[in-house]
Amino acid sequence: LAKTTQPISMDSYEGQEVNITCSHNNIATNDYITWYQQFPSQGPRFIIQGYKTKVTNEVASLFIPADRKSSTLSLPRVSLSDTAVYYCLVGLYNQGGKLIFGQGTELSVKP
Amino acid sequence: EAGVTQFPSHSVIEKGQTVTLRCDPISGHDNLYWYRRVMGKEIKFLLHFVKESKQDESGMPNNRFLAERTGGTYSTLKVQPAELEDSGVYFCASNLIGTPGPGNEQFFGPGTRLTVL
Repeated sequence: LAKTTQPISMDSYEGQEVNITCSHNNIATNDYITWYQQFPSQGPRFIIQGYKTKVTNEVASLFIPADRKSSTLSLPRVSLSDTAVYYCLVGLYNQGGKLIFGQGTELSVKP
Repeated sequence: EAGVTQFPSHSVIEKGQTVTLRCDPISGHDNLYWYRRVMGKEIKFLLHFVKESKQDESGMPNNRFLAERTGGTYSTLKVQPAELEDSGVYFCASNLIGTPGPGNEQFFGPGTRLTVL
């Protein structure tokens, strides 16, 4: 199971772009990279998933280099409402679909 | 479309009592998962249902925990008897596709906060 490492916390200001990098050195060939977001007192919420190169949706972008040993979640022009914990998950599918959460990155957006 | 719902939102019980948590997944989702976060720790997987069958219950902490999903719709998680260390937030999630690839994101409920005194 690929272990992930991401910063425990990050601070940002409204309007800035935030990049959260996750390391997953022993990612397996079949592993996807998935990010979830969790607001206080809520369950985690899927943000984005990718396998290689770049994926973009209405919420974020996910950059994955060729070696896939890391990935970067990019949040454009954050607002106060983006304050949350962001989880990087890798290696889900050899585990039968269950999600293996790490400690996540606590992002604090300030005015 | 309604999301995943959980009941109750909060429960406070005495050690030794029994508590039953309920999860209603998104309609049509065959896969249902239970997770929990104990204070200060990471969210941990408990078990996975595919319809009414237990696909993976490797995360269930001990035999005081019993999960059911009769009829393959809603699920219940019963803790009997509850211990202090069972306090935490219990999340339920569901998805349509439990296999690798796009479209298999899990939809989480708001959680049930359990406090055992």
